[in-house]
Amino acid sequence: EIVLTQSPATLSLSPGERVTLSCRASQSVSSYLAWYQQKPGQAPRLLIYDASNRATGIPARFSGSGSGTDFTLTISSLEPEDFVVYYCQQRSNWPYTFGQGTKLEIK
Amino acid sequence: EVQLVESGGGLVHPGGYLRLSCAASGFTFSSYNMGWVRQAPGKGLEWVSYISSSGSTITYADSVRGRFTISRDNAKNSLYLQVTSLRVEDTAVYYCAREAVTFDYWGQGTLVTVSS
Repeated sequence: EIVLTQSPATLSLSPGERVTLSCRASQSVSSYLAWYQQKPGQAPRLLIYDASNRATGIPARFSGSGSGTDFTLTISSLEPEDFVVYYCQQRSNWPYTFGQGTKLEIK
Repeated sequence: EVQLVESGGGLVHPGGYLRLSCAASGFTFSSYNMGWVRQAPGKGLEWVSYISSSGSTITYADSVRGRFTISRDNAKNSLYLQVTSLRVEDTAVYYCAREAVTFDYWGQGTLVTVSS
């Protein structure tokens, strides 16, 4: 099973700041990595697929990069609604796995 | 508009069973692979099962293999998850999700609570 490790677990930032979230895989997942955003009480929403492709309707302030074992999600300028939880997920091998999540908090 | 609507969750005793359903609309259901993902209260996401568009390929997480059964009825635009021999640790919100490259659309989830 491929383990995805997200860091840090929690980040305290202010609106308008730039943030980079990290996801590291225990073995190569090529570019088969996605990022999801989850707001309280809601289902996850796809942000980025295949490491760097923005999903339909996702604002340009969200971008993804990486390949192999190291990936990042960057939010260029935080909006108030961005202070929620983010998960990475690999589809390179079954079982599909998710990272444990990174929570963005307002400083 | 793509919609996925889960149903069938509820409170069940350990060892019990339920049949979860997911009604799909707004897309050609028979053309897409589908999956189930669950989330225990206050915890992260856990992939549960996958079924290909035709139903010919199925796979499960080790934690549920032998107890859960995924199926689909393309004529009814519906996805199912039969969950049996339930354990307390199966308590979670169960989401169905469309898999196009990755999980691009999710339902709102149905809560399964396993408790004595």
